[in-house]
Amino acid sequence: ETGVTQSPTHLIKTRGQQVTLRCSSQSGHNTVSWYQQALGQGPQFIFQYYREEENGRGNFPPRFSGLQFPNYSSELNVNALELDDSALYLCASRHGTSGTSTDTQYFGPGTRLTVL
Amino acid sequence: QKEVEQNSGPLSVPEGAIASLNCTYSDRGSQSFFWYRQYSGKSPELIMFIYSNGDKEDGRFTAQLNKASQYVSLLIRDSQPSDSATYLCAVRSSSASKIIFGSGTRLSIRP
Repeated sequence: ETGVTQSPTHLIKTRGQQVTLRCSSQSGHNTVSWYQQALGQGPQFIFQYYREEENGRGNFPPRFSGLQFPNYSSELNVNALELDDSALYLCASRHGTSGTSTDTQYFGPGTRLTVL
Repeated sequence: QKEVEQNSGPLSVPEGAIASLNCTYSDRGSQSFFWYRQYSGKSPELIMFIYSNGDKEDGRFTAQLNKASQYVSLLIRDSQPSDSATYLCAVRSSSASKIIFGSGTRLSIRP
């Protein structure tokens, strides 16, 4: 167990709907990253939050947005869902700094999103 | 060119043999390198990390890093059926703000 939790475990939505996924970081971790993992692919970096500010973003459209709260828990919001958004969504937490860091990150169990 | 490249496999290795997994990366300024194991339907699990050139050993696992060649590998000695999984190579970018994953290598240990 990594101490990182995610909810819900599974979710089914229809195209055009909006979804919010939640992540609770491991105790003491102030940095959270979100990834999208399609079947048979590696995790794709969506964005990262450090102390409630987004400080890195991958190649995802603005309809993917996020929040990090003072207790370092986090949300991933996806608007106007598309069929291709069906994937496993992973959050990972670490204790980082705003600059160079050699800290490792640990994943939660993921949320399986299916868009019909 | 992909930022992190891995052979997708499957790589089939007999039980008890050494499994060798390879990864190359494009960002010469990358600082940290990780190997994760992912069982089907589960999330990735960190098994090794390496920051400096050379070898790092942890039990049956050895990570090797060659920054000049932009190459990182993972050796698994005395392979067991429980090692059958997808192995993901991950690299922290030079900006230190994100960790990029390869697409993974599927490893199968045959009895």
